Amino acid sequence: QKEVEQNSGPLSVPEGAIASLNCTYSDRGSQSFFWYRQYSGKSPELIMFIYSNGDKEDGRFTAQLNKASQYVSLLIRDSQPSDSATYLCAVNLNQAGTALIFGKGTTLSVSS
Amino acid sequence: EPEVTQTPSHQVTQMGQEVILRCVPISNHLYFYWYRQILGQKVEFLVSFYNNEISEKSEIFDDQFSVERPDGSNFTLKIRSTKLEDSAMYFCASSELGVRNTEAFFGQGTRLTVV
Repeated sequence: QKEVEQNSGPLSVPEGAIASLNCTYSDRGSQSFFWYRQYSGKSPELIMFIYSNGDKEDGRFTAQLNKASQYVSLLIRDSQPSDSATYLCAVNLNQAGTALIFGKGTTLSVSS
Repeated sequence: EPEVTQTPSHQVTQMGQEVILRCVPISNHLYFYWYRQILGQKVEFLVSFYNNEISEKSEIFDDQFSVERPDGSNFTLKIRSTKLEDSAMYFCASSELGVRNTEAFFGQGTRLTVV
């Protein structure tokens, strides 16, 4: 069974702190990795994607990928109360596949 | 900004009835998808569609489900005979290329309630 695992949380951080969200995946052949944010009752909203090992930065967000460890993370700097949401890790598991496999998500709570 | 639009936002149907969920993908996108999310659970892949045919489908997408692109803009999901367990939020998504190469954008969802 090909899986994407996330700690469900909640992860609680104070406003202005760095939030670190982690995700592991089971299939070494995985190619593409995405972070989505989902507010309660809403649809997933794409934050970042990463294809290559290393770090990718976009504003307050940094995605980190380590294919050898089958691990992808999302750092949110200067966390704001509006960042409070569930963060979904999604993985495209194989070269020919078109499906995204989602983790259950980590709930982040940023307190002011 | 271009977006994926879905109709209706909420659909209530009786068990055994057929439902059609509609989506308008982003206009220059070539790949279309349906996902579902049962309340409190993770987002699950149902089916992908490219070049007017199914590209990939999950175990969930059985004979009760079908997809169609009836014209140049709409993409539909039909559930032939709904069951109580089909109650979920259904999300349509589209991407310019396959998700290996480009990101997928999601519509706002249709909440399906089967009673």
